Amino acid sequence: DAGVTQSPTHLIKTRGQQVTLRCSPKSGHDTVSWYQQALGQGPQFIFQYYEEEERQRGNFPDRFSGHQFPNYSSELNVNALLLGDSALYLCASSNGQGAKESPLHFGNGTRLTVT
Amino acid sequence: AQSVTQLDSQVPVFEEAPVELRCNYSSSVSVYLFWYVQYPNQGLQLLLKYLSGSTLVESINGFEAEFNKSQTSFHLRKPSVHISDTAEYFCAVRSYSGGYQKVTFGTGTKLQVIP
Repeated sequence: DAGVTQSPTHLIKTRGQQVTLRCSPKSGHDTVSWYQQALGQGPQFIFQYYEEEERQRGNFPDRFSGHQFPNYSSELNVNALLLGDSALYLCASSNGQGAKESPLHFGNGTRLTVT
Repeated sequence: AQSVTQLDSQVPVFEEAPVELRCNYSSSVSVYLFWYVQYPNQGLQLLLKYLSGSTLVESINGFEAEFNKSQTSFHLRKPSVHISDTAEYFCAVRSYSGGYQKVTFGTGTKLQVIP
């Protein structure tokens, strides 16, 4: 049973560039959430996708956007990268957008470094 | 609004000694509580959860946490730690409003087990 998979594992970009991160949810899960974890911090909620639509959004600027595909996989796009965007980006999947019994299952993350 | 406070950023403890990692939360609605563990260069793994019922919950590797509603706490304990328990531990709360869930993480506690 494949868990949550993320690609790439590491990425180095330059300020001003754009980046796309990818996530495949755990088998049987239909909801994908993205988190940003800066060094020494807890994960911060970016947004959540369910039924191919953004359902909730955290306190992140419009430079952060996403997409969910019919197979439930998801992408996180960040435009006009800033040095402060350097972080570990975590994807988490769950079953049912409001299912109380379904905890979040996390991937190993993508480490983004902006220089 | 909801928040999670993990007062201890780092906790050093000798092998086979007991440990308690503290977590306090605030929320205006009922919450579900979780502890996640993060090993270096990995994503978060669910350690244990409180959804309802008995306020004392246990994990398969000897950790336990007790939900205390009056003190709004969900402290994590283990009577005897092992070297392999060295990791960062995150407390999280989940609430529901209008059919949407909101998950908030604490800033994490690094547990360092000393041989």
